[in-house]
Amino acid sequence: DTAVSQTPKYLVTQMGNDKSIKCEQNLGHDTMYWYKQDSKKFLKIMFSYNNKELIINETVPNRFSPKSPDKAHLNLHINSLELGDSAVYFCASSQVRTEKQYFGPGTRLTVT
Amino acid sequence: KQEVTQIPAALSVPEGENLVLNCSFTDSAIYNLQWFRQDPGKGLTSLLLIQSSQREQTSGRLNASLDKSSGRSTLYIAASQPGDSATYLCAVSSDSGYSTLTFGKGTMLLVSP
Repeated sequence: DTAVSQTPKYLVTQMGNDKSIKCEQNLGHDTMYWYKQDSKKFLKIMFSYNNKELIINETVPNRFSPKSPDKAHLNLHINSLELGDSAVYFCASSQVRTEKQYFGPGTRLTVT
Repeated sequence: KQEVTQIPAALSVPEGENLVLNCSFTDSAIYNLQWFRQDPGKGLTSLLLIQSSQREQTSGRLNASLDKSSGRSTLYIAASQPGDSATYLCAVSSDSGYSTLTFGKGTMLLVSP
């Protein structure tokens, strides 16, 4: 059983396009996150949602808009894609702050 | 601002060796520290989580220690195997707000048969 799933796994698109990445967790967790892993493999938090409410927005351009329709889903929509957006995006979830975070398999976004 | 540093950046050892990966963080006000494993092209797998009140955690051949006051953690891998080859990431959870993780850049481990 997949705990945290993301779709698509790979996404290749051109500059200026708008795209979405979907994330779902079946762990019953109340907190979900989006992380970005750049070309140097450095992972950095982008957003954190708790019970469908935005908690953290870490200096991310407003072209990135997370949406949480329910506790099990946190989608990431990106407008006007730029070359610098190319990266691997990871979704994660946890129950409370003291517990482990479980990561999805990642979505590799390539902007050409 | 929390910063996490991992040393070494890469490590190559023969099978069977015991090894230590190091992690340091600048702000000792943390809730917990996690060690993750990342295989090439894959997501992250949580290996061990140490709460700020704990000193160490063990899982099989893995042992992680935490010295919160000095801002250090180590991951000890006993009797390394080729299957341990991966990138190991250390991440700390801030003491304020929700538990977003600040990651180090990882140690790339290669265990040769």
